[in-house]
Amino acid sequence: DAGVIQSPRHEVTEMGQEVTLRCKPISGHDYLFWYRQTMMRGLELLIYFNNNVPIDDSGMPEDRFSAKMPNASFSTLKIQPSEPRDSAVYFCASRDRGLNTEAFFGQGTRLTVV
Amino acid sequence: TQLLEQSPQFLSIQEGENLTVYCNSSSVFSSLQWYRQEPGEGPVLLVTVVTGGEVKKLKRLTFQFGDARKDSSLHITAAQPGDTGLYLCAQVDNDMRFGAGTRLTVKP
Repeated sequence: DAGVIQSPRHEVTEMGQEVTLRCKPISGHDYLFWYRQTMMRGLELLIYFNNNVPIDDSGMPEDRFSAKMPNASFSTLKIQPSEPRDSAVYFCASRDRGLNTEAFFGQGTRLTVV
Repeated sequence: TQLLEQSPQFLSIQEGENLTVYCNSSSVFSSLQWYRQEPGEGPVLLVTVVTGGEVKKLKRLTFQFGDARKDSSLHITAAQPGDTGLYLCAQVDNDMRFGAGTRLTVKP
């Protein structure tokens, strides 16, 4: 397996534009997590899915953020409209069933909103 | 919400020195994981600890889990430049939440 794959690696967009980040988890993993990382706030959990179902989205900053997982091999995180304060590195991670299993992270998407 | 505090926030040492970083929680951990993150990459798992008082070793790294399962430490012996990175602890349940991390720099 190629690991968790995120796209794009870098995204620069203008304020007000819609941004879509994509994630392909490791095949067979039951859990998928979306995180945002900044120097000020560290690695924040935004939302996680179990078997494609959103379980906890309490970390999503506001209604401008939405996430979907239409099938076991694909998830998106959408920001509409984007704002400069959304600039961060966004990570997707997947994990097999079992509470103590390893989470595997993608390489992240560096988002810059100007 | 469980709060994770990591200390120190930054640490810069010379090659060959020993160091310890800490992770403390406001409540009992279900289980705890330590990850290391290098620039431009996602975090990578180092260890999982589950049982209070547990000690695990990974080459020059020693991980301890407090008896009350509310704190953990990571000790590195004879640090090397390759140990440079961001060390993150995570409380693990159905979800997984991270502390702010300790940013370690080991100078040659």
